[in-house]
Amino acid sequence: SQQGEEDPQALSIQEGENATMNCSYKTSINNLQWYRQNSGRGLVHLILIRSNEREKHSGRLRVTLDTSKKSSSLLITASRAADTASYFCATDYNQGGKLIFGQGTELSVKP
Amino acid sequence: GAGVSQSPSNKVTEKGKDVELRCDPISGHTALYWYRQRLGQGLEFLIYFQGNSAPDKSGLPSDRFSAERTGESVSTLTIQRTQQEDSAVYLCASSPWVAPGQFFGPGTRLTVL
Repeated sequence: SQQGEEDPQALSIQEGENATMNCSYKTSINNLQWYRQNSGRGLVHLILIRSNEREKHSGRLRVTLDTSKKSSSLLITASRAADTASYFCATDYNQGGKLIFGQGTELSVKP
Repeated sequence: GAGVSQSPSNKVTEKGKDVELRCDPISGHTALYWYRQRLGQGLEFLIYFQGNSAPDKSGLPSDRFSAERTGESVSTLTIQRTQQEDSAVYLCASSPWVAPGQFFGPGTRLTVL
């Protein structure tokens, strides 16, 4: 399987703390994307990092990519209760747009 | 509408029946994707349409699954002779050809009794 792996599977933190989620994958990629899913329904695209990039920021989100270790991390700073959701990494292997998703990290932010 | 829409939002069917799930992508998006998500799992890629190219069907789990797309608009995912293991949320996404990052619909929750 080319599916990525994420850890932790579940993460529970207090509001204001930072949340870090990790994703590992198996083969060379063109880009890696992070998505958020609320209540098991539609996903929302958060951020994309290309294979030649090492770090990217968007608001309270920071994504890093280490292609030598085939891993990425998503950091959410100053978390809020509204950040409670499942977060998935997805890898684009062939520029065709087909994405391979990880199993996801379920984040719970307690007020 | 402004986003990807899917219908129905929920579908309950009996084992052995056929079901059709519909996806309306964002207007102008040439790429359309179908995924399946079982409870507590990540998304499994099913099929991908890109313009007039032959679809990438590599993720379809069996010949009971098929999908069609009319031009660059609506797509229908058909599951024949449904089985209980087909129970899942079926998600559709679309994207412009030149911009990676997919826009997802709300999904159809399929329950096979």
